Amino acid sequence: QKEVEQNSGPLSVPEGAIASLNCTYSDRGSQSFFWYRQYSGKSPELIMSIYSNGDKEDGRFTAQLNKASQYVSLLIRDSQPSDSATYLCAAVNQAGTALIFGKGTTLSVSS
Amino acid sequence: KAGVTQTPRYLIKTRGQQVTLSCSPISGHRSVSWYQQTPGQGLQFLFEYFSETQRNKGNFPGRFSGRQFSNSRSEMNVSTLELGDSALYLCASSLMASGGDKETQYFGPGTRLLVL
Repeated sequence: QKEVEQNSGPLSVPEGAIASLNCTYSDRGSQSFFWYRQYSGKSPELIMSIYSNGDKEDGRFTAQLNKASQYVSLLIRDSQPSDSATYLCAAVNQAGTALIFGKGTTLSVSS
Repeated sequence: KAGVTQTPRYLIKTRGQQVTLSCSPISGHRSVSWYQQTPGQGLQFLFEYFSETQRNKGNFPGRFSGRQFSNSRSEMNVSTLELGDSALYLCASSLMASGGDKETQYFGPGTRLLVL
């Protein structure tokens, strides 16, 4: 059973700080990775996708991928209280037919 | 472009009953995936349909089934409901051709099922 592992948290950071969220995956054949944000009672919404080793930046968000270490991370700069949510890491399986999710990390940003 | 829609949004059933949930994907998307989300287990993959064919299935009992129609709309059925089936059922659509952004999944609002 291919898995995606995340620290459940909660991760607490003050407003304006950098939040660092981490994820590891077991399927070496995975090539596509995604970060979703889910507010309580809502469905997941896509934040970023990453496919190549290295960093990918989008506004305050930076995703990092290291395929050799099977490691994905998400950095949120200048964290805001509105960033408080559960962040889900996901990897597409090698066959490309399923998106496997971690259980999510809960982030709390205090003002 | 309209997003993924799911109906109904909320449902209350009793043990032993069956339920059918519906999902309409984003126009042009041919892949529909279904997930069950519970507080303890997180988001768990149920199955994925592409061009009316089930391509992959998660580790759920046979009481959970689905189908996809020629217009890419999908339905999910749960028979003989159990208390543990109470969950948020999410549908997601994608182009799901291999590679890159074609694999990005977009989620609907979900159907919250309560089994009493």
